[in-house]
Amino acid sequence: DTAVSQTPKYLVTQMGNDKSIKCEQNLGHDTMYWYKQDSKKFLKIMFSYNNKELIINETVPNRFSPKSPDKAHLNLHINSLELGDSAVYFCASSQDWDWSNEQFFGPGTRLTVL
Amino acid sequence: AQKVTQVQTEISVVEKEDVTLDCVYETRDTTYYLFWYKQPPSGELVFLIRRNSFDEQNEISGRYSWNFQKSTSSFNFTITASQVVDSAVYFCALSEADGNNAGNMLTFGGGTRLMVKP
Repeated sequence: DTAVSQTPKYLVTQMGNDKSIKCEQNLGHDTMYWYKQDSKKFLKIMFSYNNKELIINETVPNRFSPKSPDKAHLNLHINSLELGDSAVYFCASSQDWDWSNEQFFGPGTRLTVL
Repeated sequence: AQKVTQVQTEISVVEKEDVTLDCVYETRDTTYYLFWYKQPPSGELVFLIRRNSFDEQNEISGRYSWNFQKSTSSFNFTITASQVVDSAVYFCALSEADGNNAGNMLTFGGGTRLMVKP
């Protein structure tokens, strides 16, 4: 059984388009995250949600809007895509928002903006 | 200032060699957790270990071992008798209890790419 899943795995799109990436976890966790991994493999947190509420928003452009319909899902919608948005986006979850918890990561979504 | 530094961007070894991946961190908190994750060529991130700041005991798990030294703010990872399947990018990460209820925010190092050649 997949613990944290993301769709799609690959996403190729044109500049200016709007796209969404979906994430679901079946671990019963309260907290979910989005991370961005750039071409140099650097990983940086974007958002964190706890029980559907936004906890962390790390200076991400307004074009990125996370949405959590329930605590098992955290989707990422990106408006007006730019070349610099090309990256691998990882969803993750943890038991709760306690800083000591291990985070479980999804397989990643490779976004390519042309 | 970078909070987690992995100075080795790339290491290449021959199978069966031992290899140590360095991780140095920076924090003002006395309470924090350190993590190591593995990212194989397939791309997923795999959790390896978690260590809290009050537990400086070294840990061994099979061919993997971790050396945590608060005095030097380091949390190094050693693979003994490396194998080709160990080839991956390894990330060290820090989670701080910074008291502002910011929740669980992992700060990652830049990663070390390990290549194990047969």
